[in-house]
Amino acid sequence: QKEVEQDPGPLSVPEGAIVSLNCTYSNSAFQYFMWYRQYSRKGPELLMYTYSSGNKEDGRFTAQVDKSSKYISLFIRDSQPSDSATYLCAMSDGGTSGTYKYIFGTGTRLKVLA
Amino acid sequence: DVKVTQSSRYLVKRTGEKVFLECVQDMDHENMFWYRQDPGLGLRLIYFSYDVKMKEKGDIPEGYSVSREKKERFSLILESASTNQTSMYLCASSWDRRDEKLFFGSGTQLSVL
Repeated sequence: QKEVEQDPGPLSVPEGAIVSLNCTYSNSAFQYFMWYRQYSRKGPELLMYTYSSGNKEDGRFTAQVDKSSKYISLFIRDSQPSDSATYLCAMSDGGTSGTYKYIFGTGTRLKVLA
Repeated sequence: DVKVTQSSRYLVKRTGEKVFLECVQDMDHENMFWYRQDPGLGLRLIYFSYDVKMKEKGDIPEGYSVSREKKERFSLILESASTNQTSMYLCASSWDRRDEKLFFGSGTQLSVL
C-alpha cells in the first residue's frame, strides 16, 4: 500500500462548479499537509499549507484535514478555466519519526471547461 | 518572490554522457532538493542538502550525485546517463529544516537517447 493515495483523474467540471480533490494516507505521524498546483510544463507551486487537523481558507480555496480518518481535501469554489492544472497533495512528519519524511501524492489532473 | 532557476528547460543527451543540471535560488534558503517526476510515480526525492557542502541521499540516489559548493547553487550530476533517467527533473528550496513549504523551479525535461 502506498503511503499517500490520490486519484489521478482527469476530473472535468464546468466553469463555476465546486471541485473536491482528495488524498488518503496511512502514516499517522504526518502532521503537515500541503497542496501544490502544477501547470503543464511548469514546476509545482505551493497553494495551501495546514498543520494538524482542521480547515484553512484562502480565497476560493479551502483545505481540510481529518487526521482521525487520515483524509485530506482541497475544495475550489467557483472554479475557473485558469484552475485547470494538476493538483498534488503532500504531507510531512516534520522529522518527528526520527528520519524526516515528506511525501507527495501522484497528482489529480483537473480541467475546468468554459 | 522566491525564485528558483533551473539552467535548462529541455536537454537531449546520449547514453553514457555525463550530465550536469544546475539550480540557483535567490532567497538565501538553507535547504535545497532534487526530485524527478514521472507519470504515475509522482515526485521522488533524489538528493537533498541542508547546508553548503552537505548532502544526503533521498529515496532514489542511484546513478546520481550532487554538489553544493555555494549556498545558492545545487547541482545534480548524472555520471553516465542511461535511458531510464529520461524524466522531468525538479529543483526545490526551503528556508530551513523545519519548513515544509517548498519552492520549485520550472523543471528540466531530460531525454536520454
